[in-house]
Amino acid sequence: DVKVTQSSRYLVKRTGEKVFLECVQDMDHENMFWYRQDPGLGLRLIYFSYDVKMKEKGDIPEGYSVSREKKERFSLILESASTNQTSMYLCASSLSNWGEDIGTSEQFFGPGTRLTVL
Amino acid sequence: GNSVTQMEGPVTLSEEAFLTINCTYTATGYPSLFWYVQYPGEGLQLLLKATKADDKGSNKGFEATYRKETTSFHLEKGSVQVSDSAVYFCALSDGNRDDKIIFGKGTRLHILP
Repeated sequence: DVKVTQSSRYLVKRTGEKVFLECVQDMDHENMFWYRQDPGLGLRLIYFSYDVKMKEKGDIPEGYSVSREKKERFSLILESASTNQTSMYLCASSLSNWGEDIGTSEQFFGPGTRLTVL
Repeated sequence: GNSVTQMEGPVTLSEEAFLTINCTYTATGYPSLFWYVQYPGEGLQLLLKATKADDKGSNKGFEATYRKETTSFHLEKGSVQVSDSAVYFCALSDGNRDDKIIFGKGTRLHILP
């Protein structure tokens, strides 16, 4: 079974702190994604990566950065946490289907990290 | 741009009732369509998918048919159980290189015993 793990289930930080959220997948997937989930807004894509050291902005990248130094690990960084970044953060990974059945790749999700910024 | 619209919740049903959660989409080309489910305290997991028009995805008693003429992918189940209580997300993938998926806002389902 594919497993996507996230470093914490719950996290409480203070405004202005630097926050690291870690995500690790064990199935050699090329693609990795970070979303935030908020009531009434569904899932919104923050950043994604389709290869080591590659990153692309999603729909709401402001206030976030990412790092992908190894294929299995994708980190989300909040450089200076703010209260409006209080949310559930979900990491996902998928195989790259480029050149084959493009667009049919299932995303596998981690359990999520509920971040509260005070 | 591409988008997914699904019915707002919460939806509350009694056990053994028939379930329909409506989903329509806007996309260029020929997207793949998905239903994901999120049980309490967990991440999302794929429930079913369909990759071309008239395909029917099915899993755990749930079904959805890819209707290109009505741009719809409604989720149905004939007899729901308390354990089906969860949030359901309709989603599409438009087949670009980056394999991104566009999610609807989710529909919370409550099943009463």
